[in-house]
Amino acid sequence: KQEVTQIPAALSVPEGENLVLNCSFTDSAIYNLQWFRQDPGKGLTSLLLIQSSQREQTSGRLNASLDKSSGRSTLYIAASQPGDSATYLCAVRSTDKLIFGTGTRLQVFP
Amino acid sequence: EPEVTQTPSHQVTQMGQEVILRCVPISNHLYFYWYRQILGQKVEFLVSFYNNEISEKSEIFDDQFSVERPDGSNFTLKIRSTKLEDSAMYFCASTGGRQFFGPGTRLTVL
Repeated sequence: KQEVTQIPAALSVPEGENLVLNCSFTDSAIYNLQWFRQDPGKGLTSLLLIQSSQREQTSGRLNASLDKSSGRSTLYIAASQPGDSATYLCAVRSTDKLIFGTGTRLQVFP
Repeated sequence: EPEVTQTPSHQVTQMGQEVILRCVPISNHLYFYWYRQILGQKVEFLVSFYNNEISEKSEIFDDQFSVERPDGSNFTLKIRSTKLEDSAMYFCASTGGRQFFGPGTRLTVL
C-alpha cells in the first residue's frame, strides 16, 4: 500500500531564505507526482507536476525534483517571501488516484 | 485559467439527512474525482469517475455515497444518511493531465 510522508511537518523561516521540503513514498510504481499549496480553509492549488519519466520541473522560484527509484521528491523554494506561507502537499498518482502526504506547514516571517 | 467550481461552499446538516455536493469540472476534462479532508488530517481519495461510471473507489466510499454526472457539466456527490464523522472538507477534482481541484465544500454534520 502506497504511503506518502513529508518532512518537516512545520517550518518557520525569515524572508529571503531558500527552502527544501521533502516528500517520500514507499512504492516507486507511480505515474506522476504533484506538489500543491493549501492556504488555511481553502482548496488545493497545483504548483508543479512531474511525470515519472522526468527528473525535475521548474516554475518561477519553485523547483521540484523526483528520484523515483529511491521514492523521494523535493520542493525547493528560492528567496522565500511571506506570501509563500501555506501548507505544501505532495501527492503521488498511483492507478487512478492521488495519494497525499500530511503536508509541510510553512511560515515565512518578514 | 479554467477552474473547477463547487457549491455550496459550506453546508450544515443534521445527522441522518441526505446531502448533495455539486461540482462543475473543467469543460474538456474527462476524469473526475472526489476527495475529502477531515480537519487536521490528510486529503483522502473517495472516488474516480470516467465515461459515466466509477473507475475506482476507496474503502470510505461505501453504500451511503454515490456519484452522478446528471448532465454535460455537473458532477455530484450524494451522501444518503450523513453521520457525524462525515464532517469534512470535500474537494472535487478533474484532470486532463494534472489534477485541478475545486475550492471545496465544508460539510458540517450536527
